[in-house]
Amino acid sequence: GNSVTQMEGPVTLSEEAFLTINCTYTATGYPSLFWYVQYPGEGLQLLLKATKADDKGSNKGFEATYRKETTSFHLEKGSVQVSDSAVYFCALSGGNQFYFGTGTSLTVIP
Amino acid sequence: SQTIHQWPATLVQPVGSPLSLECTVEGTSNPNLYWYRQAAGRGLQLLFYSVGIGQISSEVPQNLSASRPQDRQFILSSKKLLLSDSGFYLCAWSGFSNYGYTFGSGTRLTVV
Repeated sequence: GNSVTQMEGPVTLSEEAFLTINCTYTATGYPSLFWYVQYPGEGLQLLLKATKADDKGSNKGFEATYRKETTSFHLEKGSVQVSDSAVYFCALSGGNQFYFGTGTSLTVIP
Repeated sequence: SQTIHQWPATLVQPVGSPLSLECTVEGTSNPNLYWYRQAAGRGLQLLFYSVGIGQISSEVPQNLSASRPQDRQFILSSKKLLLSDSGFYLCAWSGFSNYGYTFGSGTRLTVV
């Protein structure tokens, strides 16, 4: 079956630190992979996506590469800001459904 | 462009009262529609999804129900709310799976 395993949080970083949030997946076929971000009190917003192996999704300084050989889609950012504080969800698409990780809470302190 | 509207934004309801949350999508036809719940500090739980009018798939048996009376309208209901129904409810739609979901802004439900 399809599933997503996401790094547990919470994660606390100082401003300008490097961020990695790990995500691995199990899937049948060739799913598309996504990262969503949820700011406090809001719904989820699509942050980036990759639709095939070796694709790199990027947005707002965040990047993630679809690695089929390691079944991973780790989220990275070279220098985080206070405004990046949010909950991040990794997800994959399979059939008519999406499968979400449990979310990783990130807090960036000045 | 496509937009998704979800209301109300917040709701406080007594135990045993009914519930109706509404979600509508504009700018697309025949979307896949979804209801998720997010309990405090936890991940997303898929409650229902629909691939067409009158077609509802339930992922978690509970005292909630969903209906899709029109192509772009998705309603989440309950006849009698429980304390455990408190949470953040999110509606979402998708077209082709490669495009991802678009989420509504959510409804914060507190059952007291």
